[in-house]
Amino acid sequence: DAKTTQPPSMDCAEGRAANLPCNHSTISGNEYVYWYRQIHSQGPQYIIHGLKNNETNEMASLIITEDRKSSTLILPHATLRDTAVYYCIVSYPLNNDMRFGAGTRLTVKP
Amino acid sequence: DVKVTQSSRYLVKRTGEKVFLECVQDMDHENMFWYRQDPGLGLRLIYFSYDVKMKEKGDIPEGYSVSREKKERFSLILESASTNQTSMYLCASSLGTGINEKLFFGSGTQLSVL
Repeated sequence: DAKTTQPPSMDCAEGRAANLPCNHSTISGNEYVYWYRQIHSQGPQYIIHGLKNNETNEMASLIITEDRKSSTLILPHATLRDTAVYYCIVSYPLNNDMRFGAGTRLTVKP
Repeated sequence: DVKVTQSSRYLVKRTGEKVFLECVQDMDHENMFWYRQDPGLGLRLIYFSYDVKMKEKGDIPEGYSVSREKKERFSLILESASTNQTSMYLCASSLGTGINEKLFFGSGTQLSVL
């Protein structure tokens, strides 16, 4: 049973920010939000994760709402190589069973 | 960088055959996982292991078994392959310390059962 809801697909213009939403209204207090992406014909790749504070790394930024019921992954300057399926996952870090849903297919267009 | 290697990129087997999918990681990770991926269904967890000789069922273990005799190697076994097991199989590993846990995936094995 999915703990997250994501739109099935989104488009973004090259060079623009891509904002990918995720709803996780039943998230528990100690569950983290993780984001992965899967480029065609490859295994998923870790992007970023967070608990309640906003996080940023070299790949993306993660914005988590104050009530933690939703989050947004931001790719600040999308390139064609960012075209991929993006997965939002909610999980306890000590659980050894990370569940992936169907994700959002992001298409970056020139 | 962590490397997770799956033995075959493409595999074609016949119904009823016993199939072994092999996965090796080179970073001394405690945890290893097998997922299958089908169009429209995302990734589904088959089995995972948090230690040598230990295994836990995921969401769809039926028709599969696993073996972890050494820390670096995690095998997925299809005892009697069936056509509904045609899928992309993905292996992953993680360090096992809990906090800041990240999964590292292999490139996948596309299995076709005829």
